Amino acid sequence: SQKIEQNSEALNIQEGKTATLTCNYTNYSPAYLQWYRQDPGRGPVFLLLIRENEKEKRKERLKVTFDTTLKQSLFHITASQPADSATYLCALGSGYALNFGKGTSLLVTP
Amino acid sequence: DAGVIQSPRHEVTEMGQEVTLRCKPISGHDYLFWYRQTMMRGLELLIYFNNNVPIDDSGMPEDRFSAKMPNASFSTLKIQPSEPRDSAVYFCASRNLGGGRGSYNEQFFGPGTRLTVL
Repeated sequence: SQKIEQNSEALNIQEGKTATLTCNYTNYSPAYLQWYRQDPGRGPVFLLLIRENEKEKRKERLKVTFDTTLKQSLFHITASQPADSATYLCALGSGYALNFGKGTSLLVTP
Repeated sequence: DAGVIQSPRHEVTEMGQEVTLRCKPISGHDYLFWYRQTMMRGLELLIYFNNNVPIDDSGMPEDRFSAKMPNASFSTLKIQPSEPRDSAVYFCASRNLGGGRGSYNEQFFGPGTRLTVL
């Protein structure tokens, strides 16, 4: 069955450092992958989309890589800030629906 | 535009009662999705609609769950009868395939309805 794995343990980093979150998947050939941010008590908010034929995508301090051979995506936040603290969800899609991972909690301390 | 609107924001009910959750998608969006989020299972897709027509309801847990979309600006998710294991946060999301607000495949989520079944 399809499986999407994100690190269930929270990631704690110091302000200014680069945060790297991992999304691994099995039994899946997604056409695209998305990353969402979710704050407590709120719905997920879209951040970035990367397609299967793209290796890397950037948006301001965010960078996403997509390796379809390793079946892995890495999500980087450079120069992290306490305001980046949230849960980050990866989502895989091959049509109109998305299949979400459980998310990784990021805590950036001053 | 106010974004995706969901009501109620919180619902507490007793086992066996009927629960109806409501969603108003972003105007012009042609896809609407219902999700359920729990700590154990994460964010699960229950059902989605395209132009008010249900496309895939394979995520609906059982016959106690039903969803309708009578028009482009309104959808409901009904649970009858409700059970304690239905307690979760239910999200509605919408997207547009082309034109309007949002890029291709981006989903816009509502604030969710936190359901507690006692």
